[in-house]
Amino acid sequence: DADVTQTPRNRITKTGKRIMLECSQTKGHDRMYWYRQDPGLGLRLIYYSFDVKDINKGEISDGYSVSRQAQAKFSLSLESAIPNQTALYFCATRAGTGADTQYFGPGTRLTVL
Amino acid sequence: GESVGLHLPTLSVQEGDNSIINCAYSNSASDYFIWYKQESGKGPQFIIDIRSNMDKRQGQRVTVLLNKTVKHLSLQIAATQPGDSAVYFCAEIGLNNDMRFGAGTRLTVKP
Repeated sequence: DADVTQTPRNRITKTGKRIMLECSQTKGHDRMYWYRQDPGLGLRLIYYSFDVKDINKGEISDGYSVSRQAQAKFSLSLESAIPNQTALYFCATRAGTGADTQYFGPGTRLTVL
Repeated sequence: GESVGLHLPTLSVQEGDNSIINCAYSNSASDYFIWYKQESGKGPQFIIDIRSNMDKRQGQRVTVLLNKTVKHLSLQIAATQPGDSAVYFCAEIGLNNDMRFGAGTRLTVKP
């Protein structure tokens, strides 16, 4: 079973719709992250959370919100989707600080028409 | 090497040859570096990491070299196989624990 899962894997929606992407992890990690990936660009950080009561904006948080429902769950919402939010979205977890790698989910491909 | 833009750098090698993928990082204070492999339709997968107090680290068929003087990181893959075909990108972690990712290099292995 995958350690980091994302739902849905693919989603097509229309401009103005509210969308929620969900992420669950079984690694027991405190830190969770949401990234978007666009063709030819590196991963860009949207939001991150160091524990259930901690939420931090990343590099490109405008137009997004998050909720850390539990240690294992971190959801990303687009309140009113727009076409330039079409991208591949990845959730990741990390144990702690310093020399700890991130573990990524399989990604959600979102298309906003 | 790595760059930000609409088109990924590409590297094409013959099966069995060695591959070298390069990455230029930006923050001279970065403390930790990771190489990831991303196959089509999948999330990034950890390959190997290196701390800033090292200049070389070896794994199974992979070696990472770090040159802090010129802020350059490379990933060497020995005896490249078709299953190595993927996008490879580096990540740097600064002292305040922020991670920055390179855009990636697409490796294609020809049979």
